[in-house]
Amino acid sequence: DQQVKQNSPSLSVQEGRISILNCDYTNSMFDYFLWYKKYPAEGPTFLISISSIKDKNEDGRFTVFLNKSAKHLSLHIVPSQPGDSAVYFCAASGLGIQGAQKLVFGQGTRLTINP
Amino acid sequence: DGGITQSPKYLFRKEGQNVTLSCEQNLNHDAMYWYRQDPGQGLRLIYYSQIVNDFQKGDIAEGYSVSREKKESFPLTVTSAQKNPTAFYLCASSIANSGGAMKQFFGPGTRLTVL
Repeated sequence: DQQVKQNSPSLSVQEGRISILNCDYTNSMFDYFLWYKKYPAEGPTFLISISSIKDKNEDGRFTVFLNKSAKHLSLHIVPSQPGDSAVYFCAASGLGIQGAQKLVFGQGTRLTINP
Repeated sequence: DGGITQSPKYLFRKEGQNVTLSCEQNLNHDAMYWYRQDPGQGLRLIYYSQIVNDFQKGDIAEGYSVSREKKESFPLTVTSAQKNPTAFYLCASSIANSGGAMKQFFGPGTRLTVL
C-alpha cells in the first residue's frame, strides 16, 4: 500500500525553465510534508517542507505547494539549473501514523536539467 | 562539525555471511533510522529507534537486526536470512518530538553487495 506516490519516475527540463515535481498521498492524517534531494551514492539532503496549515512555502528558487483537498503537493524549481539534476523524494509524516516519528517516502523522481 | 557517518562506503560479502553496517551521529538526536534504497522503490524503513535501548521494526525488518546501546550509535546487522541483501543502506536521525513534524538527516550511505 503506497501511501505516498510520485507517479513520474523521471522528468527532463531545459536549463532556466521551471521544473515541477508532483506527489500524491492517500492518508489524510499526514500533516507535514518534506522534499529531499539525492545525488547518486549519497544520502538524501533536506530541501524544503510544508505544514498542512499552509498551502505554500517558498525558499529561494524552491516553492512547495500543498492542496489538501486533492491530497497533492508539488515542488517548483525556478529557474532550473544543471546542479538541480538529482532524484527528488517526497515524504510525509503525521502524529499517530504508525508512530509520530516515521516518514513515509515516495518512490522518487529523477530530474535531469538539460543545458 | 556535526553529522552522521556511515562506514564503510562500499561493502562486499559472501552469501550466507552476516554483516554489520555502522552508523554514528554527533547531532545529539534521540531518534535514529535505517532505510534501504532499491532502484525504483524509494526509501523503505527497516528499523527505527526513538530512544536508547529501544527500537521498533519498520516495514521490511525481516532478515535484519539492530541495537541501540548508545545515543550516538545505531548499527544494523544484515543476516543470512535476508533474501536480497544487495542494496544501498541509509541511516538517518532526527530530534524526537511529539508534534508529528520532523526532519530527518541522512548519512552518506553504505552500498552492500553480496556475492
